[in-house]
Amino acid sequence: GQNIDQPTEMTATEGAIVQINCTYQTSGFNGLFWYQQHAGEAPTFLSYNVLDGLEEKGRFSSFLSRSKGYSYLLLKELQMKDSASYLCAVLNNNDMRFGAGTRLTVKP
Amino acid sequence: DVKVTQSSRYLVKRTGEKVFLECVQDMDHENMFWYRQDPGLGLRLIYFSYDVKMKEKGDIPEGYSVSREKKERFSLILESASTNQTSMYLCASRRDRISSGANVLTFGAGSRLTVL
Repeated sequence: GQNIDQPTEMTATEGAIVQINCTYQTSGFNGLFWYQQHAGEAPTFLSYNVLDGLEEKGRFSSFLSRSKGYSYLLLKELQMKDSASYLCAVLNNNDMRFGAGTRLTVKP
Repeated sequence: DVKVTQSSRYLVKRTGEKVFLECVQDMDHENMFWYRQDPGLGLRLIYFSYDVKMKEKGDIPEGYSVSREKKERFSLILESASTNQTSMYLCASRRDRISSGANVLTFGAGSRLTVL
């Protein structure tokens, strides 16, 4: 089967750093995506990793280890507007599989 | 920016009714997708289309059909709605057939369907 696991909920404080983990077991791998989804809104693309290592985009970074089937999304200098769900998705050939999402709450 | 527009944000229907969910994208994308999103289950692919009049089943096509008569429009049809089809439905489009960091899914805001 194919599993993509991420924590259901996380809470962090404004200004802090939070790491959202995603582990996957899939029959193949062609890339990993992170999407952000605010309540009642469309998911929006954040990052894409296909090779091992860290990709940095401003306050957001995403890391991938293909041998461990593991990725994380790192959010720095948290802001209240970062409260949202974060979706991990794995690409296998042209088949995209999504995790259930992690709901992040940022508190003052 | 690519816009994917779903015509109805909220719908309430009765069991057995026929339901149409409409999706329109404005950037000439060839590929369009319908997902449903349920708590704890993530996004699951219902149907997708790589071209006009073409359709392919996703992971959970049962109880659904689709129509793609024009490139910009992809409709999801529930022939006879049931309570287990109460869900958030998300439409998405993508420029090219193969996903990559430069060719990502763009989603609509969703249609929340309640079947009583």
